Amino acid sequence: QKEVEQNSGPLSVPEGAIASLNCTYSDRVSQSFFWYRQYSGKSPELIMSIYSNGDKEDGRFTAQLNKASQYVSLLIRDSQPSDSATYLCAVSQFNDYKLSFGAGTTVTVRA
Amino acid sequence: NAGVTQTPKFQVLKTGQSMTLQCAQDMNHNSMYWYRQDPGMGLRLIYYSASEGTTDKGEVPNGYNVSRLNKREFSLRLESAAPSQTSVYFCASKPFPAGAQETQYFGPGTRLLVL
Repeated sequence: QKEVEQNSGPLSVPEGAIASLNCTYSDRVSQSFFWYRQYSGKSPELIMSIYSNGDKEDGRFTAQLNKASQYVSLLIRDSQPSDSATYLCAVSQFNDYKLSFGAGTTVTVRA
Repeated sequence: NAGVTQTPKFQVLKTGQSMTLQCAQDMNHNSMYWYRQDPGMGLRLIYYSASEGTTDKGEVPNGYNVSRLNKREFSLRLESAAPSQTSVYFCASKPFPAGAQETQYFGPGTRLLVL
């Protein structure tokens, strides 16, 4: 079983709608969770990090973490064409040097 | 600050040729990483260096070697390139090894095509 799995895309949403991205992880001792955005041909850039159960909001982005169910999600509210990108979920164990990445979900926002 | 820089940006190799991908960071980070990214497979860790003087294998180390030249620089070498190594290679760095709450910062990537 892959360590980090993301819902398969591509995900197409109309402009102004909410895009919902899901990620599940297999290692129960995982402690840190990150969402990266990657535009085509570019490198990943961090958009959200979350470490505790519950919601964390940053502008139009909300990350949700449920450690008991081993999932983390990302909501993009009021989606804009500039949000069209691949979103990567990454997970790290406590005191671990390494990140485990999901395969990514490609989001297309239709104008 | 330039952040994480990688050279070259693009390279074409013939099967069996060797090359070294260079990575440097100017953020005084201790940990550095090499990933490859293939379509539909996300980022896979090749090698990492938790701190200057140490290197460790990641998920897909076969066919690669690394050198942590100093705190700033971490190079990836392909001794005998194979078509299966056609990929986009990203270097990343992180302030401290064991701070799980710190993210990694990525370079712009090197696109490698092996014919």
